[in-house]
Amino acid sequence: RKEVEQDPGPFNVPEGATVAFNCTYSNSASQSFFWYRQDCRKEPKLLMSVYSSGNEDGRFTAQLNRASQYISLLIRDSKLSDSATYLCVVNSNQAGTALIFGKGTTLSVSS
Amino acid sequence: NAGVTQTPKFQVLKTGQSMTLQCAQDMNHEYMSWYRQDPGMGLRLIHYSVGAGITDQGEVPNGYNVSRSTTEDFPLRLLSAAPSQTSVYFCASSYGRTSGYGYTFGSGTRLTVV
Repeated sequence: RKEVEQDPGPFNVPEGATVAFNCTYSNSASQSFFWYRQDCRKEPKLLMSVYSSGNEDGRFTAQLNRASQYISLLIRDSKLSDSATYLCVVNSNQAGTALIFGKGTTLSVSS
Repeated sequence: NAGVTQTPKFQVLKTGQSMTLQCAQDMNHEYMSWYRQDPGMGLRLIHYSVGAGITDQGEVPNGYNVSRSTTEDFPLRLLSAAPSQTSVYFCASSYGRTSGYGYTFGSGTRLTVV
């Protein structure tokens, strides 16, 4: 089983749609969880951290289910500018010093 | 504040050549890492460092060396380049334990080995 697995998509949605991405991780000892965004041929950029209680940042909501080892990202009211690849990321060791990335889910928002 | 700076941005090497990819950060971050990104493979960890003088191997360390003599710099050395090392290389840094913090990435080095 891969350490971090994501549905690669692509997800093609119209502007204004709500879209959800899912991610599972294999290391039950993981303590830190993130969603990154990567635009074509650019470096990944931190979108948001994911906390056990769930957290929201504007149109973006992240959820964590430790029992199921499952992370989700919900994007409401999609914008054209949300088109990108979304990477699920977890730390790989107890020290939290190395991050493991999923392969990413591609989102395309159209007008 | 430059963040994480990688040089060069593009490089073409011949098989067997060696080179060093440079990475520098000016944020006084303890943790630094090198990743490579290949189509369909996602980002894979090559080496990482938790502070000056301390390095460790990641998922795909073979063919690469690193050292961390200062907090600011974390160069990646390709010992004898192979076509399989054609990839985009990203350097990243973080304040400390990743709990609550993400990594800041450099803009990448696009390496082609012919």
